Amino acid sequence: GAVVSQHPSWVICKSGTSVKIECRSLDFQATTMFWYRQFPKQSLMLMATSNEGSKATYEQGVEKDKFLINHASLTLSTLTVTSAHPEDSSFYICSARPWDRDQETQYFGPGTRLLVL
Amino acid sequence: GQQLNQSPQSMFIQEGEDVSMNCTSSSIFNTWLWYKQDPGEGPVLLIALYKAGELTSNGRLTAQFGITRKDSFLNISASIPSDVGIYFCAGSPPGSNFGNEKLTFGTGTRLTIIP
Repeated sequence: GAVVSQHPSWVICKSGTSVKIECRSLDFQATTMFWYRQFPKQSLMLMATSNEGSKATYEQGVEKDKFLINHASLTLSTLTVTSAHPEDSSFYICSARPWDRDQETQYFGPGTRLLVL
Repeated sequence: GQQLNQSPQSMFIQEGEDVSMNCTSSSIFNTWLWYKQDPGEGPVLLIALYKAGELTSNGRLTAQFGITRKDSFLNISASIPSDVGIYFCAGSPPGSNFGNEKLTFGTGTRLTIIP
C-alpha cells in the first residue's frame, strides 16, 4: 500500500514552454501533498504544500506564479512549471500523506526529471 | 531555517559489514524518518520514529529517536549490495499544523559497497 505515482517520469522541453507534472496517490487518499525539487547530489528542498480544495502554501523563495499547483482531488495534485527556463531543470518529486494517519508519514513518488533546453 | 546534518557524507564499506549513520539538529523535532533513495528514483520510507527514545527495527535496519529529540541514528547490519544508495533523515518540527507537517531533509549519506 501507499503507492504514489508521477507522470511523466521525464520531460525535455524548449525554453519558454510550460510543463505539467502529475502526482497521484494510487491506493489511498491524501488531503495533503508536497512538492520537492532536488538538484544533483543535493538533498530534497520543499517547494510547496498542496492542500485539496485550497490554495497551495509556498516556501520562501519559490515563485507561486511560476510553479502553479492544483490539488483538484484527494488523489491528484499537479505542478505546472510555467515559461520554463534552463535553470528550472531539476528532479521534481512529490509526496503524499494519507489522510487517515494520525502521525506524520509521507510517501514519495518516483520523481520527474525535467530538462529545459 | 532548521537544518539537519547527516554524517558521514559518504561511506565505502565491504559487503557484510555493519553501517551506522546519524542525523543531528540544532532544534527539536517531533518525528524522525529515514528514507533511502536510489539514483533517479524518489525516496522510499525505511523507518518512522515518533517518540523520544524510541528504538525501531525493520529487518536489518534499526533506528532510534534521540532522547533530546535533536538526533537520530540508523544502523544497517550485514550490508548487502542492494543497500547501496543515498540515505536521508527527515524530521518534522514542532509547531506545524496537524495534517500539514512539513519535513526537513538531511544532507544525505551516500553508501557504496566495495566488492
